[in-house]
Amino acid sequence: NAGVTQTPKFRILKIGQSMTLQCAQDMNHNYMYWYRQDPGMGLKLIYYSVGAGITDKGEVPNGYNVSRSTTEDFPLRLELAAPSQTSVYFCASSVRGTGELFFGEGSRLTVL
Amino acid sequence: AQTVTQSQPEMSVQEAETVTLSCTYDTSESDYYLFWYKQPPSRQMILVIRQEAYKQQNATENRFSVNFQKAAKSFSLKISDSQLGDAAMYFCAYSSPQIQGAQKLVFGQGTRLTINP
Repeated sequence: NAGVTQTPKFRILKIGQSMTLQCAQDMNHNYMYWYRQDPGMGLKLIYYSVGAGITDKGEVPNGYNVSRSTTEDFPLRLELAAPSQTSVYFCASSVRGTGELFFGEGSRLTVL
Repeated sequence: AQTVTQSQPEMSVQEAETVTLSCTYDTSESDYYLFWYKQPPSRQMILVIRQEAYKQQNATENRFSVNFQKAAKSFSLKISDSQLGDAAMYFCAYSSPQIQGAQKLVFGQGTRLTINP
């Protein structure tokens, strides 16, 4: 099992560009999440999904969009990238009731 | 809204010694989970230990144990017999059960642990 896979691992964007961070899990987890981690800080929830076709906002959703067309995939879309979106992005998944999140290795995004 | 506070930005310990990392949280709920996650230089977040609030017994996982004080809203992590591989950022996190089952974790700011050989 690969667990949670994120691509790309590194990306540099120019201000105003758009991109999609890909996330896939092979554990058949219903729940998926996107977090961002700013330097020296903890993780903040951007968006989450409780199943295919169902998504909801987290603490810091502005500037991002998500979709969940399958159980396995949960892409995060950045529209009109801004320097404030420079961060490390983590995708995670979970099953109901355990409380444990399984994280990907993160994607480092720099907006210049 | 729930908050998690880690008041120790950095800690260091001699190899084989014991170290305790502090965490406090604020919530009005009675049912919740608390976690310690480890983030080594590779960046991937790894679950160290989990505590359910309804359980009075402190969780233990090999060399890792917690001191859960529900009334004081305190959740410290004790690492015994510290090893070089324990060097990492440690994050305390809180989650409350959601109706739909999602685990929306709230993280503290982290404590960077250094192990001195």
